[in-house]
Formats: sequence, C-alpha cells, structure tokens
Amino acid sequence: ETGVTQTPRHLVMGMTNKKSLKCEQHLGHNAMYWYKQSAKKPLELMFVYSLEERVENNSVPSRFSPECPNSSHLFLHLHTLQPEDSALYLCASSQGLAGGSFTGELFFGEGSRLTVL
Amino acid sequence: GQQVMQIPQYQHVQEGEDFTTYCNSSTTLSNIQWYKQRPGGHPVFLIQLVKSGEVKKQKRLTFQFGEAKKNSSLHITATQTTDVGTYFCKGGGADGLTFGKGTHLIIQP
Repeated sequence: ETGVTQTPRHLVMGMTNKKSLKCEQHLGHNAMYWYKQSAKKPLELMFVYSLEERVENNSVPSRFSPECPNSSHLFLHLHTLQPEDSALYLCASSQGLAGGSFTGELFFGEGSRLTVL
Repeated sequence: GQQVMQIPQYQHVQEGEDFTTYCNSSTTLSNIQWYKQRPGGHPVFLIQLVKSGEVKKQKRLTFQFGEAKKNSSLHITATQTTDVGTYFCKGGGADGLTFGKGTHLIIQP
C-alpha cells in the first residue's frame, strides 16, 4: 500500500470510447503527476499539477485530458485513443516543489494498464 | 532540457555476482534519486543523494553521487533473486521530473 490508489487497474477500450482513469492520494501531498510507461519510453512524464494547477504539460496529445479537482484527486480523461496509446499509466504524488525545483520523492500508484483495440 | 542517461540498459548476472548501474547528466544536478520497479510492479523510491561526493549504503546497496554532481551509481553486492527489477535514476533540478531509461537487472540462479 503506497498511499496512492489508482482505478481501474486494467482497462480495455475501443478507439471510439471515452473512459477515465482515477488517482487518489492519502498522503497529504500537494503535487500530482501522470506518467506513461511503455516499452519504448519507460517513464514518460505527461502532466504535473501543483496545488491543483497544471504546471507542466509535456506536449501530450489532446486526446488525453487531465483534471485535478483538489489536491487529493487526479483524473485522466481518455477519448478517441490510438492502439499506440496502450501502456501502463502511473500516477504519482509528492510533497511538492522546493525552491522552484521538483526535488520531492515521488510516491507511485500501482498503475492502470490500458489496452486500446 | 536536462537529460539523464543510464547504462547499461540490460544486465544479466549470476546470483551472487555484483551489479552496477550508472546515471550521467549533461548538467549539474541539485540531487539524484534512485527507484526500483519489480516486474509487474510500480517504481518505489530507494534513496536521494544531495551532496557532492556523497555515499550512502542500504544493506547490500551502495549509492554514490559524483563530485561534480553530474553522475551517480548504484552498486549491489552479491545479488539475490529479490534484486530482480528495473532501477531508475531521476535527476533533481530545473527539470527534476525526468527519469533515466532504467537498467533491467536479470539474475540467473
């Protein structure tokens, strides 16, 4: 138990479906992240939220839409995905920024394994 | 932007042999973190190094941070089957969210 819970753990969807991944952290952290993990790019940063505001978006396609309603919850809304989007999506949280740089230890959830048919 | 290069990508060892993975950055890092991901699992934080030349030990694991704060290493003495997994480094700094590509440790009994 890492203190970061992701649901669902497994998701299979068609290219025309709309689904969402959910992440909840119980650690009192104020920064949350989405990472994509695939064979080609082991840990690829997608989005960063600090104090519920998006602070970084690594040029992620618009078919991925994040939402951070509060400091404990993070969503990743998925629509019209492609088969190459199949991957493990990892949520993480940290105590936040220190001196303007990201230096906090990251706590990861167990991930959501996404398969796009 | 900041990049950390990690080598080797794969390392096969016999159980009981030592293992080392290296992390190199083109820029000076404010700190470096190491994570381990077991097969089928998620990355788990191992340690953070902050000071130039710092060395930390956790049982059979030894972590070093270079004098110039641009490189780091993780050394495992006498590997065991429980050490199997992927070891990632992450450099801290202006772009402190980029991980190295990881070193996959495969142990043959």
